[in-house]
Amino acid sequence: QKEVEQNSGPLSVPEGAIASLNCTYSDRGSQSFFWYRQYSGKSPELIMFIYSNGDKEDGRFTAQLNKASQYVSLLIRDSQPSDSATYLCAATTGGFKTIFGAGTRLFVKA
Amino acid sequence: GAGVSQSPSNKVTEKGKDVELRCDPISGHTALYWYRQSLGQGLEFLIYFQGNSAPDKSGLPSDRFSAERTGGSVSTLTIQRTQQEDSAVYLCASSLIWGPRGNEQFFGPGTRLTVL
Repeated sequence: QKEVEQNSGPLSVPEGAIASLNCTYSDRGSQSFFWYRQYSGKSPELIMFIYSNGDKEDGRFTAQLNKASQYVSLLIRDSQPSDSATYLCAATTGGFKTIFGAGTRLFVKA
Repeated sequence: GAGVSQSPSNKVTEKGKDVELRCDPISGHTALYWYRQSLGQGLEFLIYFQGNSAPDKSGLPSDRFSAERTGGSVSTLTIQRTQQEDSAVYLCASSLIWGPRGNEQFFGPGTRLTVL
């Protein structure tokens, strides 16, 4: 069973702090990795994608990928209350089948 | 432009009945995905279609579930003889396989299915 694992949280950080979200995946054939944000009662929306080892930055968000360790992370700098949501990690294997983790709930306290 | 649309938004049915859920993807998107999300859980992959290729049905939980995509556009997910454990939000997503943000999936608003 190909899996994507995340700590369910909740992760609570103060406003302005760095939030660090982690994810591991079991299928070494996974090629692309995604972080989606899902507000309560809403559908997921893409924040970041990464497919090469290393870091990828986009504004306040940085995705990190380590294929040897089968590990993906998302850093959110200068966290804002509006960042409070569930963050879903996803991995796409050959053929573009996408497996999602259960999500980590993030609370940013004002 | 229009996003992914799904209908109905809510469906309440009795155990044992059949239901059909519809998804209209973004025009031009070749890939279409169905997921199921139970309360407080992540997305469970059900099936995906890519162009004219055979669909990947590996996530369908039982033979009561089936899906089709007509003309490479609209898709219907059918659940036969519904059970209470089928209650969930069913999400549809579409994507360009090689878009500017990778295989970014755009999600519809979902259909909330309640089986009594």
